[in-house]
Amino acid sequence: DTEVTQTPKHLVMGMTNKKSLKCEQHMGHRAMYWYKQKAKKPPELMFVYSYEKLSINESVPSRFSPECPNSSLLNLHLHALQPEDSALYLCASSQDVSTSGRAIAYEQYFGPGTRLTVT
Amino acid sequence: AQRVTQPEKLLSVFKGAPVELKCNYSYSGSPELFWYVQYSRQRLQLLLRHISRESIKGFTADLNKGETSFHLKKPFAQEEDSAMYYCALSDPFYNQGGKLIFGQGTELSVKP
Repeated sequence: DTEVTQTPKHLVMGMTNKKSLKCEQHMGHRAMYWYKQKAKKPPELMFVYSYEKLSINESVPSRFSPECPNSSLLNLHLHALQPEDSALYLCASSQDVSTSGRAIAYEQYFGPGTRLTVT
Repeated sequence: AQRVTQPEKLLSVFKGAPVELKCNYSYSGSPELFWYVQYSRQRLQLLLRHISRESIKGFTADLNKGETSFHLKKPFAQEEDSAMYYCALSDPFYNQGGKLIFGQGTELSVKP
């Protein structure tokens, strides 16, 4: 299995709802990422997990809460979102993340995304 | 600051014409450069990276460190090349965590 899968494909939620986005990969990758993408704009990095530990949080508001239950799964818990949070949320994975001893930029494999609408 | 610039928001060419999507970067280290492509209703995928020096779907890109550019070229555009193209940079020494710096993207439209 060489794909990153994401569920659900579409999600509509109110500003008081709590929902979760799910991402799964079975490529044995040890790094997983959450991105936010607005229409015709580049992806914006939100979080990076390396070996199931959060390694980067790009100053994302606390209404977004990531979770990595195991090396294959990545969740993004959503609570009290705002309409401006409506976007395509992309998950990605890569074999590893760069370390100072191995200066390689690993290819990131992206999922199809979850299109989120906040009403 | 690290920055990737794609000066053209939209590039429109006719089928069979050569195409060049421009990418310039601002970075003083030794970055790795990538081109990602996003076809309509499809996932973002890697097209090519400078260290592999491959030609994918007829596209090539050469890293020019003197001009800090990584332009994407194809001699004869096809309609199926119509997509959004993103140039991206990563510096594995300093961007621990594999952070990619994306350009704003160029939408390529190939007309019949």
